[in-house]
Amino acid sequence: GAGVSQSPSNKVTEKGKDVELRCDPISGHTALYWYRQSLGQGLEFLIYFQGNSAPDKSGLPSDRFSAERTGGSVSTLTIQRTQQEDSAVYLCASSLPRDRVYNEQFFGPGTRLTVL
Amino acid sequence: QKEVEQNSGPLSVPEGAIASLNCTYSDRGSQSFFWYRQYSGKSPELIMSIYSNGDKEDGRFTAQLNKASQYVSLLIRDSQPSDSATYLCAVNTGGFKTIFGAGTRLFVKA
Repeated sequence: GAGVSQSPSNKVTEKGKDVELRCDPISGHTALYWYRQSLGQGLEFLIYFQGNSAPDKSGLPSDRFSAERTGGSVSTLTIQRTQQEDSAVYLCASSLPRDRVYNEQFFGPGTRLTVL
Repeated sequence: QKEVEQNSGPLSVPEGAIASLNCTYSDRGSQSFFWYRQYSGKSPELIMSIYSNGDKEDGRFTAQLNKASQYVSLLIRDSQPSDSATYLCAVNTGGFKTIFGAGTRLFVKA
């Protein structure tokens, strides 16, 4: 079946502009995650959505970052007033957790964001 | 601060050898553990998950978990050049949140 999809694959923007990144999870997956990966670094957790529960926003680095998930499916990560340090690959993952333990995540191809 | 630590490498092994990748974590309450493989320029791909102490084997891969010592390892038998990648250790620290290590770069020499 179809995996996690993300768009755009690449985004180049100017400092100060707003950007929107989209994630379409695997059909039926109730949990959706956003991560950020800077060049040569590990994955930095940003936010997750699980079913109808309030999202865990504890990883968002500043109030310029926000995310929403509409209808329990597609999610959009918005970065306002982009800064050069926001340049990174933004990865989305989804999962169908049986419970809080059994939670294998599957990643999309990522969006490479470059802020000039 | 809940942490997941990995040696950044690179770990270099000859083709056909066993590659051993290690990971330690700080949160004793962690219950699920994952290994992801990430090729350069690509997104992480899940290769193993382990939930109980002991070994779990899947083909050439074996994951080992020791909760008392708070470490998890990944063994790759008969290493191939195609195994050259960065291997990320990930730990579910409770709830649905997963913490990733920075990864170990593996290089398998032909």
